[in-house]
Amino acid sequence: QVQLVESGGGVVQSGRSLRLSCAASGFTFRSYGMHWVRQAPGKGLEWVAVIWYDGSNKNYADSVKGRFTISRDNSKNTLYLQVNSLRAEDTAVYYCARGAPDVSGRYYFDYWGQGTLVSVSS
Amino acid sequence: DIQMTQSPSSLSASVGDRVTITCRASQGIAKYLAWFQQKPGKAPKSLIYAASSLQSGVPSRFSGGGSGTDFTLTISSLQPEDFATYYCQQYNSYPWTFGQGTKVDMK
Repeated sequence: QVQLVESGGGVVQSGRSLRLSCAASGFTFRSYGMHWVRQAPGKGLEWVAVIWYDGSNKNYADSVKGRFTISRDNSKNTLYLQVNSLRAEDTAVYYCARGAPDVSGRYYFDYWGQGTLVSVSS
Repeated sequence: DIQMTQSPSSLSASVGDRVTITCRASQGIAKYLAWFQQKPGKAPKSLIYAASSLQSGVPSRFSGGGSGTDFTLTISSLQPEDFATYYCQQYNSYPWTFGQGTKVDMK
C-alpha cells in the first residue's frame, strides 16, 4: 500500500534552516510528481511546492519562493524540502502528497503523509 | 491566483441528514476540482477528484458535482465518522489553492 512518511521537523529559531524528508513506499516513486502542502495551527491548507516525476520541473508558492527548495532522490524513494530563512509564519505541519493523474491526465493529490511539524521561534 | 470560496464555513447536522457544501472558484477551472476530508490531528484524505469522480475506497454516500466555477460536495446520509472538516481544491493552474474549509459538527 502507498505510504508517505515525513520527518525532519522540529523547533527552530527564526532565520535558521531545516531539511524535511518524505520517504515513499508501496508505489513506483520515480513515476509520480510530488508536492508539499502545509497547514498552520488551526488554519487551512496551503500548497507549497511541486516537483515533476523526474525532477525536471519545479513550482513554488510565492510565499516561499527563493527560501524553500524542493528536490527528490529517486534512487532513495525520497522527497525533500529545504527550508531556509525561516519565519514565524512558516510554523505549520508540512505534508507531502502524491500527484496522481485523473481521467484527463491532469494531476491531483491522492495520497498524503501524516505530516511533520515545524515550529519557528523568535 | 484562483480564489476558492466555500460555503458555509460551518454547519451542524445529525446522523442521517443530507449535507451539501458549495465551493466557488474566482475563475473557470473546468472540472479540475478535488475534495478532501480532514479530522483533527490527521492528514487530509482524498474523497473526490475531477469534480465528480469518487476516490477508490470512499463510500458512495459521498458525491461531487459541478464544473466551471461552481461545485458541490454532497453526503447523502451523514454517518458518525463523517463529522470532520472538508476542503475543496483547484488543480487547474498553479498555485494550487484550497477553500477555507467547512466544518461539519454534530447538532
